[in-house]
Amino acid sequence: DQQVKQNSPSLSVQEGRISILNCDYTNSMFDYFLWYKKYPAEGPTFLISISSIKDKNEDGRFTVFLNKSAKHLSLHIVPSQPGDSAVYFCAARDFSGATNKLIFGTGTLLAVQP
Amino acid sequence: DTGVSQDPRHKITKRGQNVTFRCDPISEHNRLYWYRQTLGQGPEFLTYFQNEAQLEKSRLLSDRFSAERPKGSFSTLEIQRTEQGDSAMYLCASSFAARTDTQYFGPGTRLTVL
Repeated sequence: DQQVKQNSPSLSVQEGRISILNCDYTNSMFDYFLWYKKYPAEGPTFLISISSIKDKNEDGRFTVFLNKSAKHLSLHIVPSQPGDSAVYFCAARDFSGATNKLIFGTGTLLAVQP
Repeated sequence: DTGVSQDPRHKITKRGQNVTFRCDPISEHNRLYWYRQTLGQGPEFLTYFQNEAQLEKSRLLSDRFSAERPKGSFSTLEIQRTEQGDSAMYLCASSFAARTDTQYFGPGTRLTVL
């Protein structure tokens, strides 16, 4: 069963516009959510995170919104740049055990067109 | 500032051979994670170390897999009698025990089993 879902495999956006990447989760025990960016043949790079007690976190061009009642989060990138083209993974931290392991979605490929 | 490093970056082996991967975490990080990523999927948790203690192993980690973290520094992941289904990207991540506990990933080791 997929506890973290990214239902859009790909997204294409024009340079300068807003990119919105979505993520849904099912487990109420998740206490922290993170977004990672991944280029081919590289490991995931941490972008931004949000605690389950907050509904918004902003860092430069990146903003993450959390709607706990809907079990939904989104990553907004404004303005989008060609260098943002990559696969974006949503991850949730499982705090129910002692490990803080991350549960990842399947990723969304973002293409920013010049 | 050195991030998480992994060696080798690529490994091609024949079915039935043993392989060993190494991960060097960020120096002050006491937590270390191994994940596996296959095509079209997000990373999946394999195992977790806090200092030198291996505290959790995923059901994905069959008896052919073993991981160690002697002295709580670098870690090794060994796969014995490799199978074609073991072909994947093996990712290592580390974090410092704190409230945010953000995991930072290495570049990964791409394993191809022929």
